[in-house]
Amino acid sequence: QKEVEQDPGPLSVPEGAIVSLNCTYSNSAFQYFMWYRQYSRKGPELLMYTYSSGNKEDGRFTAQVDKSSKYISLFIRDSQPSDSATYLCAMTDTGNQFYFGTGTSLTVIP
Amino acid sequence: GAGVSQTPSNKVTEKGKYVELRCDPISGHTALYWYRQSLGQGPEFLIYFQGTGAADDSGLPNDRFFAVRPEGSVSTLKIQRTERGDSAVYLCASSPMGGGRNEQFFGPGTRLTVL
Repeated sequence: QKEVEQDPGPLSVPEGAIVSLNCTYSNSAFQYFMWYRQYSRKGPELLMYTYSSGNKEDGRFTAQVDKSSKYISLFIRDSQPSDSATYLCAMTDTGNQFYFGTGTSLTVIP
Repeated sequence: GAGVSQTPSNKVTEKGKYVELRCDPISGHTALYWYRQSLGQGPEFLIYFQGTGAADDSGLPNDRFFAVRPEGSVSTLKIQRTERGDSAVYLCASSPMGGGRNEQFFGPGTRLTVL
């Protein structure tokens, strides 16, 4: 069983839609949770960071962590064509090793 | 300011050859990470440096892979006797101090192709 599971998609939505991206994990020791965005042939860039359980909002993006269910989510409101990318969840316990999901490919259609 | 840079951007080699991949982290960042990303997959942890020392090398797949960071800045990932299965994008990331609370800044990666 992989440490982190993420539906690879692809996901295609019309502009303005709300997008929901999710990951599940198996290691209850994970306490730092991240979402990265990766454009083709580029390195990942950090979008959101959350420590432990709870919600965090930044503009159109909201990250949620439910440690009891070992489930994290990223919501994108009012999606834009420029949001088209691969979204990776990542997590760690100590900050030595970071475990990434496979990534979800998102296309926002104008 | 300058971000993380990686050279070369692309490397094509033949099976059995030796390759070196270089990472220049953001100046002042003490933590440096190497990852491998295969097509359609997320980055897979290889090794983590804190300063000059490898704090965690448990992700290196076998003894053909080795990495150094002799002066606590630039790092080199070395792969001996390359195999076709080593073909992937090798990503480097740096962080101000390491640990879960500090953002990792990724470079653009080196795309390695083993023929």
